[in-house]
Amino acid sequence: DAGITQSPRHKVTETGTPVTLRCHQTENHRYMYWYRQDPGHGLRLIHYSYGVKDTDKGEVSDGYSVSRSKTEDFLLTLESATSSQTSVYFCAISDRTGAYNEQFFGPGTRLTVL
Amino acid sequence: DAKTTQPPSMDCAEGRAANLPCNHSTISGNEYVYWYRQIHSQGPQYIIHGLKNNETNEMASLIITEDRKSSTLILPHATLRDTAVYYCIVRVVSSGGGNKLTFGTGTQLKVEL
Repeated sequence: DAGITQSPRHKVTETGTPVTLRCHQTENHRYMYWYRQDPGHGLRLIHYSYGVKDTDKGEVSDGYSVSRSKTEDFLLTLESATSSQTSVYFCAISDRTGAYNEQFFGPGTRLTVL
Repeated sequence: DAKTTQPPSMDCAEGRAANLPCNHSTISGNEYVYWYRQIHSQGPQYIIHGLKNNETNEMASLIITEDRKSSTLILPHATLRDTAVYYCIVRVVSSGGGNKLTFGTGTQLKVEL
């Protein structure tokens, strides 16, 4: 399995509090992604990174920010959590260019916002 | 990106071939077809991808019709461990790499004894 860890694995928080999720990789892959998964929606891309300090928005980026200060870590921050952000969050990494873009996914973080 | 349509669920007997269809009738010439699966609540796992030729690897085969409007993922000898949600994704390959994937709701495959 690709060396991807996510922390925390489970978190319960209250509306309005800031939350930071961490994705850590040991593969030295260039690209990193944050997805959220909700019932009936499959996985949706929140933000992605194509290098240190290089990030861009995905399809559901509102309410989220990201940072990548070093290759191995990609942080997802909810500045002020809302109940609609209750979800399972997956981090993914990839390294190859072109068509063969296999993404390796982490184990997920289950976030509940009360 | 082209939209994909998959049946919401399928059943398959263990040891038999599982054939999972995907319709992508609006696919354009530079879009690839990717398949991923997600077992229970784990992160998705890459299976295979193709452009227009049929592809085979150790996990599965991908059959793409000549007009590329549909494809079929084949698991030749399904086992109970193949029970998962299977996602068909169509995506333009960006020149800079690091393709963003758009997951639909997929097909829930249940393999039974």
